[in-house]
Amino acid sequence: DSGVTQTPKHLITATGQRVTLRCSPRSGDLSVYWYQQSLDQGLQFLIQYYNGEERAKGNILERFSAQQFPDLHSELNLSSLELGDSALYFCASSVRLGTGTTGELFFGEGSRLTVL
Amino acid sequence: GQQVMQIPQYQHVQEGEDFTTYCNSSTTLSNIQWYKQRPGGHPVFLIQLVKSGEVKKQKRLTFQFGEAKKNSSLHITATQTTDVGTYFCAGPKNTGNQFYFGTGTSLTVIP
Repeated sequence: DSGVTQTPKHLITATGQRVTLRCSPRSGDLSVYWYQQSLDQGLQFLIQYYNGEERAKGNILERFSAQQFPDLHSELNLSSLELGDSALYFCASSVRLGTGTTGELFFGEGSRLTVL
Repeated sequence: GQQVMQIPQYQHVQEGEDFTTYCNSSTTLSNIQWYKQRPGGHPVFLIQLVKSGEVKKQKRLTFQFGEAKKNSSLHITATQTTDVGTYFCAGPKNTGNQFYFGTGTSLTVIP
């Protein structure tokens, strides 16, 4: 158990819909990262938050948005869903802002999104 | 943009054979991390390398960081079925906080 909690574990929805994925980081971790993993693909970095502020953006679509709340949990909002958005979405947390010494990422079990 | 490539993409080995995956970055990395993702699981941190030329061992696993800090390798000696999974290297972008994962190497161990 990494200490990172993601909900829901599975989600099935239709094209055009909007969903929200939730992540609770490990206790004490201030950084939250979101990654997308499509079938048999690598981990695509989407976005990072640190202590409530957006700190880095990767290949995140304009239809997607995220935020980190004062209690440090984070939500990833996916709207106008398309078939290609079907993927496993991972949240990871880290103590530090960067990834220097002890900056390892702890991953949640992921939210599997299926768009029909 | 920054890319982190891994080879091979897939590797099948007989149990007991050795395995190596290579990670190459287009830019210098301040540090590199390795993760393992079991089938159906989530990535789990294995190790971090920081110094140029650094070599670290964890039982049958040997990790190396290149002298130029642009490449790294993971070598597994005498693979076991428990080694099955996808191995990812990962490194930070030089500027900003983006943390990129390599393309991964999927290891299958045949009993």
